[in-house]
Amino acid sequence: DTGVSQDPRHKITKRGQNVTFRCDPISEHNRLYWYRQTLGQGPEFLTYFQNEAQLEKSRLLSDRFSAERPKGSFSTLEIQRTEQGDSAMYLCASIAGGAYGYTFGSGTRLTVV
Amino acid sequence: AQTVTQSQPEMSVQEAETVTLSCTYDTSENNYYLFWYKQPPSRQMILVIRQEAYKQQNATENRFSVNFQKAAKSFSLKISDSQLGDTAMYFCAFMTRDDKIIFGKGTRLHILP
Repeated sequence: DTGVSQDPRHKITKRGQNVTFRCDPISEHNRLYWYRQTLGQGPEFLTYFQNEAQLEKSRLLSDRFSAERPKGSFSTLEIQRTEQGDSAMYLCASIAGGAYGYTFGSGTRLTVV
Repeated sequence: AQTVTQSQPEMSVQEAETVTLSCTYDTSENNYYLFWYKQPPSRQMILVIRQEAYKQQNATENRFSVNFQKAAKSFSLKISDSQLGDTAMYFCAFMTRDDKIIFGKGTRLHILP
């Protein structure tokens, strides 16, 4: 287990379609974070999990967004009825303890056409 | 609310020169962590350097060092002997008590041959 994996790397979808992204964190990391990054901007917090519990959701996370982390392992982020404004890089990160920062995945780049 | 401000959207320096990236932050917390992350073009976000707020000594990692001024809430990154591979977006980041990271908008650094 060498890092955080995200799948797919790229996703192009038509407006109105649903999409789901997956993140596999480092196995011993109990906290998992989702961020969204638009072009030329810093990542913005969306939500995070401690084990299987979703502890916080940003106001950026509209009702069309849902995230899960069953059994405290991998996590999925689903966007329903995608809009063009959802086009962004979706980053996943995991952490064992705060002192060492996050380990990021490579991200999923979503393009809504 | 905690905020992170990077006032230099873009910088360019010649290879082998030294460059300093600025960052200020705002928080009412006394103990926290600060980070600089590097995001090369189309590549993964990686941790460059970290600083614990309760430590007065500035962190150093090879060619990378920080100037941490806690009272001024300033956390600048110095890159010595810059290399072409240092070309990237650099994000200053603050970690909150629940391990959530708040990022600045980034500084795009170009190292010129």
